[in-house]
Amino acid sequence: DIQMTQSPSSLSASLGDRVTITCRASQSISSSLNWYQQKPGKAPKLLIHAASSLQSGVPSRFSGSGSGTDFTLTISSLQPEDFATYYCQQSYSSPRTFGQGTKVEIK
Amino acid sequence: QLQLQESGPGLVKPSETLSLSCTVSGASISGSRYYWGWIRQPPGKGLEWIASIYYSGSAQYNPSLKSRVTISVDTSKNQFSLKLSSVTAADTAVYYCATAFGSGPNDYWGQGTLVTVSS
Repeated sequence: DIQMTQSPSSLSASLGDRVTITCRASQSISSSLNWYQQKPGKAPKLLIHAASSLQSGVPSRFSGSGSGTDFTLTISSLQPEDFATYYCQQSYSSPRTFGQGTKVEIK
Repeated sequence: QLQLQESGPGLVKPSETLSLSCTVSGASISGSRYYWGWIRQPPGKGLEWIASIYYSGSAQYNPSLKSRVTISVDTSKNQFSLKLSSVTAADTAVYYCATAFGSGPNDYWGQGTLVTVSS
């Protein structure tokens, strides 16, 4: 299985801050990396697919980058609705695996 | 707009079989190129991919669960199902059904259903 490691596991940030979350794969996954946002009691919501493609309807303050083993999710200016847990997922090979999650909290 | 809805018992006894169904609306299981799958999340923990299936019946399983999992499709009901046998408390989780187009992301999700394993 491909292991996905996110960092940090949690972070505190203020409104308007630029936030960066990283995800590292245990082997190359090309650009088969997806990012999800999950709020309490809700299903995950797809934000970014194929490492850098913004899902339709997702605000442009979200962006993704990277390829191979190292990936980044950036929120350019944190908004109140962005406080949530974020997961990366590789869809390069089965079983699809997720990172352990990054909880973004209010500072 | 494709929509998914999980259904099944919310309480299962240890050693028994967990059975869930996912009803698909807005698309035909047999008429699309989606993979139909299951993902779970234990309370307070992260996400674990369980299995997925193509309408033709071709399935993929997480090796960590493969010996206990069966995924199937019922095109007549436009549903797909999950069976997990010999459950323990460690199988207590919110179970989500979700789609993926080919090797793409899981773009549509059900709302999730909590299954508790307890006597």
